[in-house]
Amino acid sequence: DVVMTQTPVSMSVSLGGQVSISCRSSQSLVHNNGNTYLSWYIQKPSQSPQLLIYKVSNRFSGISDRFSGSGSGTDFTLKISRVEPDDLGVYYCGQGTQYPLTFGSGTKLEIK
Amino acid sequence: EVQLVESGGGLVQPGRSLKLSCAASGFTFSNYGMAWVRQAPTKGLEWVATISYDGSSTYYRDSVKGRFTISRDNAKSTLYLQMDSLRSEDTATYYCARQLDYWGQGVMVTVSS
Repeated sequence: DVVMTQTPVSMSVSLGGQVSISCRSSQSLVHNNGNTYLSWYIQKPSQSPQLLIYKVSNRFSGISDRFSGSGSGTDFTLKISRVEPDDLGVYYCGQGTQYPLTFGSGTKLEIK
Repeated sequence: EVQLVESGGGLVQPGRSLKLSCAASGFTFSNYGMAWVRQAPTKGLEWVATISYDGSSTYYRDSVKGRFTISRDNAKSTLYLQMDSLRSEDTATYYCARQLDYWGQGVMVTVSS
């Protein structure tokens, strides 16, 4: 199974600030078809997960350009700029390159 | 608007069965693969199963293989998860998801005597 390791486990940021979350996979996430199926999700308190970024750097429908994804191979990053109150929650990375699909253990973002 | 509404959860004794349903609307259901993902209380996300758009292919995590069955009825735009031989470790909120882009609100399954 592909193990997804997220860091940090939690972080606190001031409104208007910027944060970076790291996600590393135990194997390359490059699929045979050349795509890299790495996604980022946010789970806000008492809500279901919402897709933010897919295939490393593509923002999902309706997602603010304050969210950006980057990386390749086994090393990926989610950046959130100009942090707003609604950004609080737990962020997960997930891979869809091979079964079983796996997720990171989450990064809890708190607002100072 | 894409909507996924799960139902069928509840409290069940170990070894018993439960069937979850997910009613989909707002998109052409038969064009998309669908999945179930679960989340144990205070834990992270755990993929359970995926089914292809036409039901011809299914995939499961090892811990549920042989016990859970994912299926779909494209005429009814509904996804199912038949869960047999339930164990305490299956206790979780179960989410239905369209190709992991849109997610339902989740349904709680508690396995306990």
